[in-house]
Amino acid sequence: DGGITQSPKYLFRKEGQNVTLSCEQNLNHDAMYWYRQDPGQGLRLIYYSQIVNDFQKGDIAEGYSVSREKKESFPLTVTSAQKNPTAFYLCASSIGPRQGVSGNTIYFGEGSWLTVV
Amino acid sequence: AQSVTQLGSHVSVSEGALVLLRCNYSSSVPPYLFWYVQYPNQGLQLLLKYTTGATLVKGINGFEAEFKKSETSFHLTKPSAHMSDAAEYFCAVSEKGFSGGYNKLIFGAGTRLAVHP
Repeated sequence: DGGITQSPKYLFRKEGQNVTLSCEQNLNHDAMYWYRQDPGQGLRLIYYSQIVNDFQKGDIAEGYSVSREKKESFPLTVTSAQKNPTAFYLCASSIGPRQGVSGNTIYFGEGSWLTVV
Repeated sequence: AQSVTQLGSHVSVSEGALVLLRCNYSSSVPPYLFWYVQYPNQGLQLLLKYTTGATLVKGINGFEAEFKKSETSFHLTKPSAHMSDAAEYFCAVSEKGFSGGYNKLIFGAGTRLAVHP
């Protein structure tokens, strides 16, 4: 079945440690996204990528890094510079982007919980 | 920048009663509007979306929403609530993002729907 796979589902980070969340999609989508979800705040965009080897900062990119070496994969690294990383992280993808095309549906993975210990 | 306001962080209804979840967005031309549902510990699933055409949009699981430009609203309704509808619901609007298209989603804070017998 086509979809977006995130792993691990639960991850614990020690102070000063970098951790990486995996995201793989087999939907043949060009665009991929990472969102952070905190209770009562909805979803906030961390990074997005329109195409392989290209990515852009979202609204809350500080303390995070990404790579897009393959179309199917968009891993997110939470670095030690992120002072409050405990949250639910959602990876997503969509077709496009194509010039002027709007309203594409964004599809989400099942999410990963990151907790600082 | 766009913003989305969901009135009521928690809504409780009886099984069989009308469900009404409110969403207002800041004015933009054109708006592309979405409702997503999130069950506990899972990713987001698209319920319905409005891009162009008919302002009353029907989605999955018996939900529908009506785009009212004059009120900048996109409220979600379901005539008869079912226990399985208990979840968190997010309204989202597209703003101009990538390659000139309106394909960057801005989310509301979410409304948690409880359904009691």
